[in-house]
Amino acid sequence: DQQVKQNSPSLSVQEGRISILNCDYTNSMFDYFLWYKKYPAEGPTFLISISSIKDKNEDGRFTVFLNKSAKHLSLHIVPSQPGDSAVYFCAASAGNQFYFGTGTSLTVIP
Amino acid sequence: KAGVTQTPRYLIKTRGQQVTLSCSPISGHRSVSWYQQTPGQGLQFLFEYFSETQRNKGNFPGRFSGRQFSNSRSEMNVSTLELGDSALYLCASSTEAGGLNEQYFGPGTRLTVT
Repeated sequence: DQQVKQNSPSLSVQEGRISILNCDYTNSMFDYFLWYKKYPAEGPTFLISISSIKDKNEDGRFTVFLNKSAKHLSLHIVPSQPGDSAVYFCAASAGNQFYFGTGTSLTVIP
Repeated sequence: KAGVTQTPRYLIKTRGQQVTLSCSPISGHRSVSWYQQTPGQGLQFLFEYFSETQRNKGNFPGRFSGRQFSNSRSEMNVSTLELGDSALYLCASSTEAGGLNEQYFGPGTRLTVT
């Protein structure tokens, strides 16, 4: 049973525009959410996180939004750059249990 | 500081065989977690070791096991391999107090079972 879902396997965006990656979860006990970025042949690297007590966290071009009532998480990248092309995983934790989504492959077109 | 290293990077095995994968964490990191990545399931948590003890375990059959040595290096073993075990196996290390966001991932071992 997939508790964290990324329903869009891929996304293409023009350079300079906004990229919006979405993530849904089912477990209301999740209290911490993260986004990881993964390039081919490399392990995932941490990008940004948000606690369940917040609804927004911003770090430079990256902003994560959390809608607890909808159990929905999104990552906004503005402006998108070609170097942002990678697979993005959302993750959620409740205590010591970790759950990752299936990933969304983002392609930023120059 | 050197990153997380995993060996081997690629491995081909046949059904029924067993395999051992190795992970060397970042120096000073005492927690090592293992994940399985497949196209349809994303990253799934296998287990976490801390100070040579399994501290957390995901929902995988007993064919998947691991251990951690006193130098924090960790090995993962899969016995009686099945075709469905073909995946990228990632390990991640973190400090004693490290939360999920402080996990540093290795490049992974690509296992193909034929």
